[in-house]
Amino acid sequence: EAGVAQSPRYKIIEKRQSVAFWCNPISGHATLYWYQQILGQGPKLLIQFQNNGVVDDSQLPKDRFSAERLKGVDSTLKIQPAKLEDSAVYLCASSLVGGRDTEAFFGQGTRLTVV
Amino acid sequence: AQSVTQPDIHITVSEGASLELRCNYSYGATPYLFWYVQSPGQGLQLLLKYFSGDTLVQGIKGFEAEFKRSQSSFNLRKPSVHWSDAAEYFCAVSAREYGNKLVFGAGTILRVKS
Repeated sequence: EAGVAQSPRYKIIEKRQSVAFWCNPISGHATLYWYQQILGQGPKLLIQFQNNGVVDDSQLPKDRFSAERLKGVDSTLKIQPAKLEDSAVYLCASSLVGGRDTEAFFGQGTRLTVV
Repeated sequence: AQSVTQPDIHITVSEGASLELRCNYSYGATPYLFWYVQSPGQGLQLLLKYFSGDTLVQGIKGFEAEFKRSQSSFNLRKPSVHWSDAAEYFCAVSAREYGNKLVFGAGTILRVKS
């Protein structure tokens, strides 16, 4: 079974530029998460999708961050414009929906450096 | 509000010694509990999980964890640590009542000395 795929693995941009990350979840997983992990901290949930609907985006800085999950499969996370404090690893995860299967499987992440 | 506390930022143990990493949670619902491990430059790998039933759960790589509802704790243990266990460990909690939102602790960095 293929895991969660993320690209790119690394990205360096200047502040005020824009950037986009892509995630392909495990086939059949209805729930998709984007997490931000700043160095030295635990992952923080940015947005959670159930199919192509948003379940939770309470911690997403909506003035600069946006995310979409077209057709309930792949997802993209965009930052525009980027700030220095956005430097972090962005993790995508997916899980089956409902019941007891709330186990989330994580991709390797995209390391963003804003200079 | 849901929260997860990992009181120890760093822990150093000798190879072959036993290990216990602490995790406490605050949840207003029946929690699902997880431990993940993250090696440098890698994604998060699930070590073990607790949904219900037996409060002592076994995971991969010889790890186990015990759910203690009265103490709101889910501590991770290993009887004999190997040098390859050096990594960062995260406790995480979710609940169906909160839309299965997975909330992480700040992590504990484990160093293993030979």
